[in-house]
Amino acid sequence: NAGVTQTPKFQVLKTGQSMTLQCAQDMNHNSMYWYRQDPGMGLRLIYYSASEGTTDKGEVPNGYNVSRLNKREFSLRLESAAPSQTSVYFCASSAVAGGPRDTQYFGPGTRLTVL
Amino acid sequence: DQQVKQNSPSLSVQEGRISILNCDYTNSMFDYFLWYKKYPAEGPTFLISISSIKDKNEDGRFTVFLNKSAKHLSLHIVPSQPGDSAVYFCAASAHGNQFYFGTGTSLTVIP
Repeated sequence: NAGVTQTPKFQVLKTGQSMTLQCAQDMNHNSMYWYRQDPGMGLRLIYYSASEGTTDKGEVPNGYNVSRLNKREFSLRLESAAPSQTSVYFCASSAVAGGPRDTQYFGPGTRLTVL
Repeated sequence: DQQVKQNSPSLSVQEGRISILNCDYTNSMFDYFLWYKKYPAEGPTFLISISSIKDKNEDGRFTVFLNKSAKHLSLHIVPSQPGDSAVYFCAASAHGNQFYFGTGTSLTVIP
Protein backbone atom coordinates (compact mmCIF):
# COMPACT_ATOMS: atom_id res chain seq x y z
CA ASN A 1 0.00 0.00 0.00
CA ALA A 2 1.50 3.31 -1.10
CA GLY A 3 -1.17 5.32 0.75
CA VAL A 4 -1.40 8.82 -0.71
CA THR A 5 1.05 9.74 -3.45
CA GLN A 6 1.70 13.18 -4.93
CA THR A 7 3.56 14.32 -8.02
CA PRO A 8 5.71 16.24 -8.49
CA LYS A 9 7.67 16.62 -5.24
CA PHE A 10 9.14 19.99 -6.26
CA GLN A 11 8.20 22.53 -8.91
CA VAL A 12 9.34 26.00 -9.88
CA LEU A 13 7.04 28.11 -12.04
CA LYS A 14 7.16 31.58 -13.49
CA THR A 15 4.29 33.96 -12.82
CA GLY A 16 1.46 33.25 -15.22
CA GLN A 17 2.41 29.64 -15.98
CA SER A 18 -0.05 26.85 -15.36
CA MET A 19 0.42 23.44 -13.84
CA THR A 20 -1.47 20.51 -12.36
CA LEU A 21 -0.58 18.77 -9.13
CA GLN A 22 -1.50 15.13 -9.12
CA CYS A 23 -2.71 13.06 -6.18
CA ALA A 24 -3.70 9.41 -5.95
CA GLN A 25 -4.74 7.16 -3.07
CA ASP A 26 -4.99 3.37 -2.92
CA MET A 27 -7.00 3.04 0.30
CA ASN A 28 -10.41 3.03 -1.41
CA HIS A 29 -11.27 6.26 0.41
CA ASN A 30 -14.31 8.24 -0.61
CA SER A 31 -13.07 11.70 0.32
CA MET A 32 -10.03 13.63 -0.85
CA TYR A 33 -8.61 17.04 0.03
CA TRP A 34 -6.08 19.63 -1.05
CA TYR A 35 -4.36 21.81 1.56
CA ARG A 36 -1.64 24.41 1.45
CA GLN A 37 0.82 25.04 4.25
CA ASP A 38 2.43 28.42 4.67
CA PRO A 39 4.77 29.60 7.44
CA GLY A 40 2.78 30.80 10.46
CA MET A 41 -0.53 29.79 8.87
CA GLY A 42 -0.91 26.08 9.51
CA LEU A 43 -2.70 23.94 6.96
CA ARG A 44 -5.55 25.57 5.06
CA LEU A 45 -8.11 23.69 2.99
CA ILE A 46 -8.25 24.69 -0.68
CA TYR A 47 -10.82 22.26 -2.10
CA TYR A 48 -12.21 18.91 -1.15
CA SER A 49 -14.19 16.11 -2.72
CA ALA A 50 -16.50 14.34 -0.30
CA SER A 51 -17.19 11.61 -2.83
CA GLU A 52 -16.48 10.76 -6.46
CA GLY A 53 -18.21 13.25 -8.70
CA THR A 54 -18.43 16.07 -6.15
CA THR A 55 -16.09 18.93 -5.29
CA ASP A 56 -16.46 21.83 -2.88
CA LYS A 57 -14.54 24.94 -1.97
CA GLY A 58 -12.58 25.11 1.24
CA GLU A 59 -11.14 28.07 3.06
CA VAL A 60 -8.81 29.39 0.31
CA PRO A 61 -10.07 28.29 -3.15
CA ASN A 62 -9.25 31.40 -5.20
CA GLY A 63 -6.78 30.79 -8.02
CA TYR A 64 -7.27 27.02 -8.03
CA ASN A 65 -9.41 24.42 -9.76
CA VAL A 66 -9.79 20.75 -8.98
CA SER A 67 -10.87 17.59 -10.73
CA ARG A 68 -11.93 14.36 -9.08
CA LEU A 69 -10.92 12.15 -11.99
CA ASN A 70 -12.11 8.92 -10.38
CA LYS A 71 -12.27 7.49 -6.88
CA ARG A 72 -8.48 7.24 -6.66
CA GLU A 73 -7.33 10.53 -8.17
CA PHE A 74 -7.83 14.18 -7.28
CA SER A 75 -5.88 16.87 -9.12
CA LEU A 76 -5.27 20.53 -8.32
CA ARG A 77 -4.73 23.00 -11.14
CA LEU A 78 -3.19 26.45 -11.05
CA GLU A 79 -4.30 28.19 -14.25
CA SER A 80 -2.10 31.28 -13.90
CA ALA A 81 0.38 30.94 -11.08
CA ALA A 82 1.13 33.90 -8.81
CA PRO A 83 3.94 34.38 -6.27
CA SER A 84 1.29 34.25 -3.49
CA GLN A 85 0.76 30.60 -4.44
CA THR A 86 4.28 29.68 -3.37
CA SER A 87 3.60 27.08 -0.72
CA VAL A 88 3.76 23.42 0.21
CA TYR A 89 0.69 21.58 -1.06
CA PHE A 90 -0.63 18.48 0.65
CA CYS A 91 -3.21 16.06 -0.63
CA ALA A 92 -5.13 13.93 1.87
CA SER A 93 -7.84 11.29 1.82
CA SER A 94 -10.29 9.86 4.33
CA ALA A 95 -12.91 7.14 4.40
CA VAL A 96 -15.75 9.59 4.98
CA ALA A 97 -15.76 13.39 5.00
CA GLY A 98 -16.53 14.89 8.34
CA GLY A 99 -16.87 13.58 11.88
CA PRO A 100 -15.19 10.71 13.69
CA ARG A 101 -14.45 8.71 10.55
CA ASP A 102 -12.72 11.64 8.90
CA THR A 103 -9.20 10.61 9.84
CA GLN A 104 -7.23 12.11 7.00
CA TYR A 105 -4.14 10.45 5.59
CA PHE A 106 -1.71 12.84 3.96
CA GLY A 107 0.68 12.59 1.05
CA PRO A 108 4.32 13.75 1.31
CA GLY A 109 3.62 17.17 -0.20
CA THR A 110 4.61 19.21 -3.26
CA ARG A 111 6.86 22.19 -2.68
CA LEU A 112 5.90 24.86 -5.24
CA THR A 113 7.79 28.07 -5.87
CA VAL A 114 6.36 30.75 -8.15
CA LEU A 115 8.88 33.35 -9.31
CA ASP B 1 -9.24 34.87 11.50
CA GLN B 2 -7.53 31.84 13.02
CA GLN B 3 -10.16 29.63 14.65
CA VAL B 4 -7.60 27.19 16.04
CA LYS B 5 -4.50 28.58 17.72
CA GLN B 6 -1.30 27.05 18.95
CA ASN B 7 0.40 29.89 20.75
CA SER B 8 3.70 28.13 21.40
CA PRO B 9 5.70 27.81 18.19
CA SER B 10 8.28 25.60 19.89
CA LEU B 11 8.86 23.47 22.98
CA SER B 12 11.95 21.67 24.29
CA VAL B 13 11.72 18.81 26.78
CA GLN B 14 14.21 16.38 28.29
CA GLU B 15 13.87 12.74 27.31
CA GLY B 16 11.71 10.85 29.79
CA ARG B 17 9.81 13.95 30.92
CA ILE B 18 6.28 14.98 30.02
CA SER B 19 5.60 17.09 26.93
CA ILE B 20 2.46 19.22 27.02
CA LEU B 21 1.29 20.82 23.80
CA ASN B 22 -1.58 23.27 23.94
CA CYS B 23 -4.27 24.33 21.52
CA ASP B 24 -7.06 26.92 21.86
CA TYR B 25 -10.09 27.36 19.68
CA THR B 26 -12.70 30.05 19.26
CA ASN B 27 -15.62 28.27 17.59
CA SER B 28 -17.93 26.75 20.21
CA MET B 29 -19.51 24.59 17.47
CA PHE B 30 -16.36 22.47 17.09
CA ASP B 31 -17.17 18.94 18.18
CA TYR B 32 -14.30 16.81 16.95
CA PHE B 33 -10.59 17.36 17.45
CA LEU B 34 -7.47 15.73 16.08
CA TRP B 35 -3.74 15.87 16.68
CA TYR B 36 -1.30 15.28 13.84
CA LYS B 37 2.45 14.85 13.93
CA LYS B 38 4.69 15.98 11.09
CA TYR B 39 8.31 15.18 10.36
CA PRO B 40 10.30 17.36 7.93
CA ALA B 41 9.66 16.63 4.25
CA GLU B 42 6.76 14.31 5.10
CA GLY B 43 3.01 14.76 5.29
CA PRO B 44 1.23 14.98 8.65
CA THR B 45 0.29 11.67 10.25
CA PHE B 46 -2.70 11.14 12.50
CA LEU B 47 -1.88 10.76 16.17
CA ILE B 48 -5.00 10.86 18.34
CA SER B 49 -8.53 12.27 18.32
CA ILE B 50 -11.24 13.27 20.75
CA SER B 51 -14.94 13.92 20.43
CA SER B 52 -16.61 16.73 22.36
CA ILE B 53 -18.62 14.20 24.34
CA LYS B 54 -15.41 13.16 26.09
CA ASP B 55 -12.88 15.10 28.11
CA LYS B 56 -10.00 12.67 27.78
CA ASN B 57 -8.71 10.11 25.33
CA GLU B 58 -5.61 7.99 25.84
CA ASP B 59 -3.52 5.96 23.43
CA GLY B 60 -0.31 4.57 24.85
CA ARG B 61 2.03 7.44 25.71
CA PHE B 62 -0.34 10.00 24.22
CA THR B 63 -3.31 11.54 26.02
CA VAL B 64 -5.51 14.33 24.75
CA PHE B 65 -7.52 16.44 27.18
CA LEU B 66 -10.47 18.62 26.19
CA ASN B 67 -11.78 21.50 28.31
CA LYS B 68 -14.88 22.69 26.48
CA SER B 69 -15.66 25.54 28.84
CA ALA B 70 -12.18 26.98 28.27
CA LYS B 71 -12.15 26.00 24.59
CA HIS B 72 -8.79 24.39 25.22
CA LEU B 73 -7.18 21.19 24.07
CA SER B 74 -3.89 19.70 25.21
CA LEU B 75 -1.74 16.76 24.17
CA HIS B 76 0.39 15.04 26.81
CA ILE B 77 3.26 12.78 25.82
CA VAL B 78 4.66 10.66 28.65
CA PRO B 79 7.47 9.73 28.66
CA SER B 80 8.87 11.85 25.85
CA GLN B 81 11.31 10.16 23.48
CA PRO B 82 13.75 11.67 20.94
CA GLY B 83 11.66 10.16 18.12
CA ASP B 84 8.78 12.37 19.25
CA SER B 85 10.67 15.42 17.96
CA ALA B 86 8.39 16.78 15.25
CA VAL B 87 5.84 19.50 14.55
CA TYR B 88 2.44 18.84 16.14
CA PHE B 89 -0.77 20.27 14.69
CA CYS B 90 -4.17 20.31 16.31
CA ALA B 91 -7.27 20.43 14.14
CA ALA B 92 -10.97 20.90 14.80
CA SER B 93 -14.22 20.49 12.92
CA ALA B 94 -17.86 21.33 13.52
CA HIS B 95 -20.64 18.85 12.75
CA GLY B 96 -18.77 17.02 10.05
CA ASN B 97 -17.58 20.05 8.16
CA GLN B 98 -14.04 20.92 7.15
CA PHE B 99 -11.15 20.75 9.58
CA TYR B 100 -9.36 23.89 10.72
CA PHE B 101 -5.71 23.44 11.65
CA GLY B 102 -3.54 25.30 14.10
CA THR B 103 -0.16 26.72 13.12
CA GLY B 104 1.79 23.92 14.78
CA THR B 105 4.21 23.51 17.69
CA SER B 106 7.71 22.22 17.04
CA LEU B 107 8.67 19.77 19.80
CA THR B 108 12.31 18.92 20.46
CA VAL B 109 13.05 16.09 22.86
CA ILE B 110 16.59 16.36 24.16
CA PRO B 111 18.36 13.03 24.83
